[in-house]
Amino acid sequence: QKEVEQNSGPLSVPEGAIASLNCTYSDRGSQSFFWYRQYSGKSPELIMSIYSNGDKEDGRFTAQLNKASQYVSLLIRDSQPSDSATYLCAVADSGGYQKVTFGTGTKLQVIP
Amino acid sequence: EPEVTQTPSHQVTQMGQEVILRCVPISNHLYFYWYRQILGQKVEFLVSFYNNEISEKSEIFDDQFSVERPDGSNFTLKIRSTKLEDSAMYFCASGAGNTQPQHFGDGTRLSIL
Repeated sequence: QKEVEQNSGPLSVPEGAIASLNCTYSDRGSQSFFWYRQYSGKSPELIMSIYSNGDKEDGRFTAQLNKASQYVSLLIRDSQPSDSATYLCAVADSGGYQKVTFGTGTKLQVIP
Repeated sequence: EPEVTQTPSHQVTQMGQEVILRCVPISNHLYFYWYRQILGQKVEFLVSFYNNEISEKSEIFDDQFSVERPDGSNFTLKIRSTKLEDSAMYFCASGAGNTQPQHFGDGTRLSIL
């Protein structure tokens, strides 16, 4: 059973701070990794995808990937109250066809 | 921006009845998926569909479930003989390729009474 692990939180950060969200995965052959944001009662919304080791930046978001450690993270700079949501780490299985295993998500609270 | 469209947004059905959930994927996408999310739990993969056939399915996707792409735009999930535990949000997703991110629809909330 392929697993994706996240701390469920809540993670509370003050407005303007950096939020750091972490994820580990068990499928060593996985090549595609995604971060989704999910507001309560809504569908997952894609924030970032990352495929290579290192950092990938998009606006206030930076995804980091370390395949050797089977670890992926998401940094949110200058956190805003509107960033308060559950952040889902998703890992595509190595078998192809993009079967994606989701973590349980980390609930982020940005305190004004 | 193109989006995945799901109907209905909420479906209430008596236990034992059949339901069909409908999805219109993004038009140039080739890979289609169904996921479910039971309230308070994580998003769970049900099935992937490519080239007019199921490419992968989870252990959840048993004989009670079926998928179909009846025409060039719709993608449906049928649940036969529904059970109380089928109550969940069902999300359709589509992707342009098998390494590309999946884009989710707004979901159908299925309530089995």
